Amino acid sequence: GENVEQHPSTLSVQEGDSAVIKCTYSDSASNYFPWYKQELGKGPQLIIDIRSNVGEKKDQRIAVTLNKTAKHFSLHITETQPEDSAVYFCAASVYYGGSQGNLIFGKGTKLSVKP
Amino acid sequence: DSGVTQTPKHLITATGQRVTLRCSPRSGDLSVYWYQQSLDQGLQFLIQYYNGEERAKGNILERFSAQQFPDLHSELNLSSLELGDSALYFCASSPAGAAYNEQFFGPGTRLTVL
Repeated sequence: GENVEQHPSTLSVQEGDSAVIKCTYSDSASNYFPWYKQELGKGPQLIIDIRSNVGEKKDQRIAVTLNKTAKHFSLHITETQPEDSAVYFCAASVYYGGSQGNLIFGKGTKLSVKP
Repeated sequence: DSGVTQTPKHLITATGQRVTLRCSPRSGDLSVYWYQQSLDQGLQFLIQYYNGEERAKGNILERFSAQQFPDLHSELNLSSLELGDSALYFCASSPAGAAYNEQFFGPGTRLTVL
């Protein structure tokens, strides 16, 4: 089955710097890759996702890139702010025509942004 | 606010007991997923229901069961509880006919087994 590995497990940056979190997946059939942000005491919040027919997607300060050949995808946060501090999870799933696959999550990255 | 609601927010119980966690999906969403989040295991998929029927099973123990009712809310039943069942339990829902698996998570139920 699918396995998703996420690195690093912790990341500390200065406010204004960029942060990059990387994930690799094992199942070449995976075609949907969401990223979730989880703040303390809350449920995971979908912040951006990418589908296998796209190499890059941006939404304001966040971007995700996908390399299908290498089976890895990354989250990039620019101009980090203290409110970006949270745990970030990557995930992967396979969509079969008419049937949605399940999300397999990475172990998470705790991002700390120092003011 | 994702629109997914879960009750109760916290639950404290003893080993051997049985509890029921409740989830109401976003309006219009037909799929409900249950996840367990513990410190050492991350987010583990347990089970999925679609419009009242079980669609997929993940790492769900035999002591655990779930169902989805005609009004689309779902309940996760945990029985013969053990200390290791202490965790956060999340439910998520996704839109009907979604081309990809966009899932929206509720705030979770924190279960503590003493």
